[in-house]
Amino acid sequence: GAGVSQSPSNKVTEKGKDVELRCDPISGHTALYWYRQSLGQGLEFLIYFQGNSAPDKSGLPSDRFSAERTGGSVSTLTIQRTQQEDSAVYLCASSSGPRGSGAGDIQYFGAGTRLSVL
Amino acid sequence: TQLLEQSPQFLSIQEGENLTVYCNSSSVFSSLQWYRQEPGEGPVLLVTVVTGGEVKKLKRLTFQFGDARKDSSLHITAAQPGDTGLYLCAGLNNAGNMLTFGGGTRLMVKP
Repeated sequence: GAGVSQSPSNKVTEKGKDVELRCDPISGHTALYWYRQSLGQGLEFLIYFQGNSAPDKSGLPSDRFSAERTGGSVSTLTIQRTQQEDSAVYLCASSSGPRGSGAGDIQYFGAGTRLSVL
Repeated sequence: TQLLEQSPQFLSIQEGENLTVYCNSSSVFSSLQWYRQEPGEGPVLLVTVVTGGEVKKLKRLTFQFGDARKDSSLHITAAQPGDTGLYLCAGLNNAGNMLTFGGGTRLMVKP
């Protein structure tokens, strides 16, 4: 597609349930990022994928959070046993090059998934 | 951990007024980016400043990178309702492998 696509756009779940959030990056982009944004706040880095390299998981807040990127394209962020503090907008971004490269410094964001945990 | 502080957090002004948003840190960044985010959308990159003291203009928006590459400002002249949104600054560390975002400035321009 022309841009980064995320689904669903909104997700309401009950505390304790698992959720999966999907990100479809721009075609050909090798780098993919997940961020979390609490209401009206800045972005908190979660995880970074680059090609077939091992992901940088340093931003994941707990072991309830995990992410996969299959075939170097689509990524899924999974939150297990959701808690109310997990409520936020989860943003995905992709870039055409790895971190540290000029192209990798420009990230293109999707519209996000708004997660509400009741 | 590199932190970026943005001020003010909220700003509500009338159409036609000027404003400045600040992004400050005690850390040095190799470059600094400014994004605008509208409700229900992801952030969109406005500009990247790389050199200390650099000034970039984008129509009515003027971006400046501090001489020491620790701070930046965004000045908007004659603000319009279409400028309403969340403005985020983000600093790239010297290794080029981590982009740290500020907390954002939420701007509302009333007609």
